[in-house]
Amino acid sequence: DQQVKQNSPSLSVQEGRISILNCDYTNSMFDYFLWYKKYPAEGPTFLISISSIKDKNEDGRFTVFLNKSAKHLSLHIVPSQPGDSAVYFCAASNSGGGADGLTFGKGTHLIIQP
Amino acid sequence: DTGVSQDPRHKITKRGQNVTFRCDPISEHNRLYWYRQTLGQGPEFLTYFQNEAQLEKSRLLSDRFSAERPKGSFSTLEIQRTEQGDSAMYLCASSALAGEQFFGPGTRLTVL
Repeated sequence: DQQVKQNSPSLSVQEGRISILNCDYTNSMFDYFLWYKKYPAEGPTFLISISSIKDKNEDGRFTVFLNKSAKHLSLHIVPSQPGDSAVYFCAASNSGGGADGLTFGKGTHLIIQP
Repeated sequence: DTGVSQDPRHKITKRGQNVTFRCDPISEHNRLYWYRQTLGQGPEFLTYFQNEAQLEKSRLLSDRFSAERPKGSFSTLEIQRTEQGDSAMYLCASSALAGEQFFGPGTRLTVL
């Protein structure tokens, strides 16, 4: 029973365009959400997070949107660059601030094409 | 480099043997987490410590698994009587009391 779902195993985007990665969750107790990026043979690297009291958080080229009523969040990357090619994981926590164990989705492999 | 470090990076063992992994967190972080990741899956939470206290254990952490964090610094994860299903990447992360978790490079375990 997956509580965090990333339904697109892979996504291909042209360099310079916008990449949109989606994530759905089922547990209404989740109140803190994070996106991680992972290269092969490395651990996940934190990208951006959002609390459930907000609907948007922006950091440079990365923006996360949260729609609580739909239990959906998305990560926008604009403009997409070749170095963005990686696996992106959506994660959620119900402890307020992400201080407890995170629940991850299966990931989306983003491929940026030149 | 002051990030999270894990040792060893790779471990190959035979079924039935015991293995132990080590994690050194970021020095000022109070919380330390262990996750397991198998092919095609996201990381799955195993357990976490606040300082030296183990506060939560996932049902994935069978009685063959034990984790310690003596003195609230580094942590070890031991797997006894390894099985082929234990083959995975074992990830360690650390964080301040509230905030994002920073991951180490992981230890890849292969059980033959």
